[in-house]
Amino acid sequence: DAKTTQPPSMDCAEGRAANLPCNHSTISGNEYVYWYRQIHSQGPQYIIHGLKNNETNEMASLIITEDRKSSTLILPHATLRDTAVYYCIVRGPHGSSNTGKLIFGQGTTLQVKP
Amino acid sequence: KAGVTQTPRYLIKTRGQQVTLSCSPISGHRSVSWYQQTPGQGLQFLFEYFSETQRNKGNFPGRFSGRQFSNSRSEMNVSTLELGDSALYLCASSLVSGSDYEQYFGPGTRLTVT
Repeated sequence: DAKTTQPPSMDCAEGRAANLPCNHSTISGNEYVYWYRQIHSQGPQYIIHGLKNNETNEMASLIITEDRKSSTLILPHATLRDTAVYYCIVRGPHGSSNTGKLIFGQGTTLQVKP
Repeated sequence: KAGVTQTPRYLIKTRGQQVTLSCSPISGHRSVSWYQQTPGQGLQFLFEYFSETQRNKGNFPGRFSGRQFSNSRSEMNVSTLELGDSALYLCASSLVSGSDYEQYFGPGTRLTVT
């Protein structure tokens, strides 16, 4: 499974966009990029995932570079409730025996400040 | 639709005892995965079950076992508890087992071994 590299911590002002980077330079062509977040002592919350194209949902946008070696999670208008640990995970490939497991790194602790 | 539920939420056991944790997936989901979270090791994959069969197993000793029932509910068992087994145990469910299917986590069971 491809490894990911994330900055250990980031700050963001409330109301501003939070841009969380992730490097996954060894990703293979059929591996997905997933983002989860975990608010203290709760179960991780699914945010978004993508393969090649940029994705957007009600929570966030995922921008994947053309070479797929890195991605950025964008929270368009961060609120205090977005303070959490954000995990970038490379998963797959689809059809392999490893599809069912998520390998979590240390993640990025995002602190949203008033 | 109800989310993933885990019981009990909190548990205190003594070294040498055994424990059984339960997970009810989201209705219609057939894949259940288990994770252990500790401050030192972070989130680590334990095992995944799909259609009552273990599909994947993480790097944990044989004291950790699990099973899945025909209604997709899952249990995990830890025998001969050690102090190091104190952790948050998380269950996640997905529609089926595959890289393009997001996993949804429950709130976890906090196990303390004394």
